[in-house]
Amino acid sequence: LAKTTQPISMDSYEGQEVNITCSHNNIATNDYITWYQQFPSQGPRFIIQGYKTKVTNEVASLFIPADRKSSTLSLPRVSLSDTAVYYCLVGVFSSNRDDKIIFGKGTRLHILP
Amino acid sequence: GAVVSQHPSWVICKSGTSVKIECRSLDFQATTMFWYRQFPKQSLMLMATSNEGSKATYEQGVEKDKFLINHASLTLSTLTVTSAHPEDSSFYICSARGAGRVSYEQYFGPGTRLTVT
Repeated sequence: LAKTTQPISMDSYEGQEVNITCSHNNIATNDYITWYQQFPSQGPRFIIQGYKTKVTNEVASLFIPADRKSSTLSLPRVSLSDTAVYYCLVGVFSSNRDDKIIFGKGTRLHILP
Repeated sequence: GAVVSQHPSWVICKSGTSVKIECRSLDFQATTMFWYRQFPKQSLMLMATSNEGSKATYEQGVEKDKFLINHASLTLSTLTVTSAHPEDSSFYICSARGAGRVSYEQYFGPGTRLTVT
């Protein structure tokens, strides 16, 4: 997996849009960008994945510039329940059964009332 | 779909005893299961990968004789912490992936909090 850098922590307020940026300067051509969310005392869950431009689902949007050296996870109108750690991962994510996910430090997002 | 359970959700044991944690895929067959541990305010650390019917592959620095992993069926993997000590107190999380699925399509259990006194 390519090395990623993301802020250690962020605070925001309910109702705001939150953008978490991840840097991945050494991303390879075949790499995808994947984000996970982990609530306190729970296992992580996949939230979104993209390769280029923009991806949107019911939870978040992912913006990837043309050079793909960074990506931004956007959470619209956050609520207190969005308080979690958000992990950015970059890799091929193959179906090889030995392919594994290694988590970095993640961004601890704290939503304030 | 794609639900992974863990049992117990929390356990307290005395130093020197062994503890077994179960990880089950409830609605799919998990050919590969992973075990992670997580200390407070830290990221998940991958401990080992287990493929059904094969011996687990441990990450560097993880003692395989201390953390015994058995993936005996396509729906069950167990982690046994042998001769537990207070420093083994942690949050243990398993994940499971079905055959042919890409690596991000792994589903995580809710975790087991182990406290060794």
